[in-house]
Amino acid sequence: AQSVTQPDIHITVSEGASLELRCNYSYGATPYLFWYVQSPGQGLQLLLKYFSGDTLVQGIKGFEAEFKRSQSSFNLRKPSVHWSDAAEYFCAVKKAAGNKLTFGGGTRVLVKP
Amino acid sequence: AAGVIQSPRHLIKEKRETATLKCYPIPRHDTVYWYQQGPGQDPQFLISFYEKMQSDKGSIPDRFSAQQFSDYHSELNMSSLELGDSALYFCASSLDLRPTEAFFGQGTRLTVV
Repeated sequence: AQSVTQPDIHITVSEGASLELRCNYSYGATPYLFWYVQSPGQGLQLLLKYFSGDTLVQGIKGFEAEFKRSQSSFNLRKPSVHWSDAAEYFCAVKKAAGNKLTFGGGTRVLVKP
Repeated sequence: AAGVIQSPRHLIKEKRETATLKCYPIPRHDTVYWYQQGPGQDPQFLISFYEKMQSDKGSIPDRFSAQQFSDYHSELNMSSLELGDSALYFCASSLDLRPTEAFFGQGTRLTVV
């Protein structure tokens, strides 16, 4: 069964600093990978996704993620964080067949002024 | 653009009562998913429907049932509610079983007292 691990439960970053959120997955083949953001009391918004091709994917809100097959990782990055980026971020994986998303435990990002 | 609509947004029920959550997918989307997110937890997949047929099943309790109707909206019926059912319930929709992203609604917050 596929699984997703987000090693960092909380990350605090200063506004304007760079941000990297880690995601590792366990799956026999290359899965479909996603990053979602959830603001308090809100739904999940898709930031970006990877299916195949270029391993560096660009998303919304200035986020990007890099798929590294050798490390089974799909880390999310943003060069300069804004206060509005404070939220919880979920990495998710989906098999090529089927439609179930498996989420990681989430990383809560706090942004200091 | 139209999004996934969930109703109600908030619901308070007593133990052993019944609740019905509704989900209206994005127009022309034929696949609906239900997720449960407990306090401080990641979303857990419950069940999905494609073209009104159940397509995948996750950790959905036997006390819960769901269906997708001819207009593609879906309802999650929850009976004999327990305190542990208190959670945020998300519905998501997508267009067929291709690996496109699922669009999430804002969720229904169920509180069982």
